Amino acid sequence: GNSVTQMEGPVTLSEEAFLTINCTYTATGYPSLFWYVQYPGEGLQLLLKATKADDKGSNKGFEATYRKETTSFHLEKGSVQVSDSAVYFCALYSSASKIIFGSGTRLSIRP
Amino acid sequence: DAMVIQNPRYQVTQFGKPVTLSCSQTLNHNVMYWYQQKSSQAPKLLFHYYDKDFNNEADTPDNFQSRRPNTSFCFLDIRSPGLGDAAMYLCATSRAGSAPRKETQYFGPGTRLLVL
Repeated sequence: GNSVTQMEGPVTLSEEAFLTINCTYTATGYPSLFWYVQYPGEGLQLLLKATKADDKGSNKGFEATYRKETTSFHLEKGSVQVSDSAVYFCALYSSASKIIFGSGTRLSIRP
Repeated sequence: DAMVIQNPRYQVTQFGKPVTLSCSQTLNHNVMYWYQQKSSQAPKLLFHYYDKDFNNEADTPDNFQSRRPNTSFCFLDIRSPGLGDAAMYLCATSRAGSAPRKETQYFGPGTRLLVL
């Protein structure tokens, strides 16, 4: 069945550092892939998505490319800010209108 | 702006006292979901409505029920809350049917439930 494996956290970086959060998936066909972000005490916000192989999703300086060869959808940002501190969830569309989430990665950015 | 709204943001209830959480949406999406989330773990799907059709997850306790009186509103009823039901409850919506396997879910801000 479909599954998502996400980099374990927590991840702590200094401001302006480069960020990568790894996400790999197992899926039949090419379902949509997503990154959601959750700030403390809030719901999940869609950060970016990609709907087919080789698509690149981007938003707020974050990027992720749907790579079928490596079955990956790694999240990257060139220069992180303190305000990026949050929990990040990788997810994929599964079946019957459901999505599967990764376990989440907590990111902390030091000033 | 089109959005998913959850009320209240914080809810305190007593052990065993029924509680209802509400969700509304202005996105005109045909699918609505309820998730339970504990301690920044991945959200756990409780059930969802596809139009008027109710779809319960196999491991959702009977203590949790849901109602969807119309397209815009969906309610989560906890009949007898226990201490273990304290969590963040997230409502989400999606538009199903137009692009198979490409649906995106949009989440509300959540309701944090405290059980005393």
